[in-house]
Amino acid sequence: EAQVTQNPRYLITVTGKKLTVTCSQNMNHEYMSWYRQDPGLGLRQIYYSMNVEVTDKGDVPEGYKVSRKEKRNFPLILESPSPNQTSLYFCASTSTGSHEQYFGPGTRLTVT
Amino acid sequence: GENVEQHPSTLSVQEGDSAVIKCTYSDSASNYFPWYKQELGKGPQLIIDIRSNVGEKKDQRIAVTLNKTAKHFSLHITETQPEDSAVYFCAASMVDSSYKLIFGSGTRLLVRP
Repeated sequence: EAQVTQNPRYLITVTGKKLTVTCSQNMNHEYMSWYRQDPGLGLRQIYYSMNVEVTDKGDVPEGYKVSRKEKRNFPLILESPSPNQTSLYFCASTSTGSHEQYFGPGTRLTVT
Repeated sequence: GENVEQHPSTLSVQEGDSAVIKCTYSDSASNYFPWYKQELGKGPQLIIDIRSNVGEKKDQRIAVTLNKTAKHFSLHITETQPEDSAVYFCAASMVDSSYKLIFGSGTRLLVRP
């Protein structure tokens, strides 16, 4: 089944404790991105990657890092999480030539 | 940069009635306008999209209209059913240069049985 998976689905952590949210897709898509969803703000892009080893900032990159060492994986790293990063996070992938973005199920992160 | 505004933020309709959600965008270079449906506990899923060379597109009970002059596009759902209850997001993008989507703030649609 074609899908985007994220782990964990739920995470409660404390300020300053480094964490990684994993994202993996099995559709051989080149383009992957991370969004955060906050009430009244829709989805905002954090980082994106056009292909392996090619990443770039989206609209709200502060406090986040990403890497793209393999085509299928695109982890989101929070080196020192803060309470304002409490949000619902989505990973998405797209095949070049198509603009349909396939979203993962989401990761709800709470930073206390 | 591009900015997308979406209205209303919540919409409640009786089953069988129609629902309309409206979006406006700011960048005239945008040429791709998808609509995503997000069900509870799930990620958004594309339900319909339209490109700027088309004024209207229909898929069964769902239709999207685009007015390039006014920079305005709308989602129309006819004969609504309880399973249409979800959050709907519009988005805008420039299909020839980027895969980046700028999303509206979302509309929570409730279809009352």
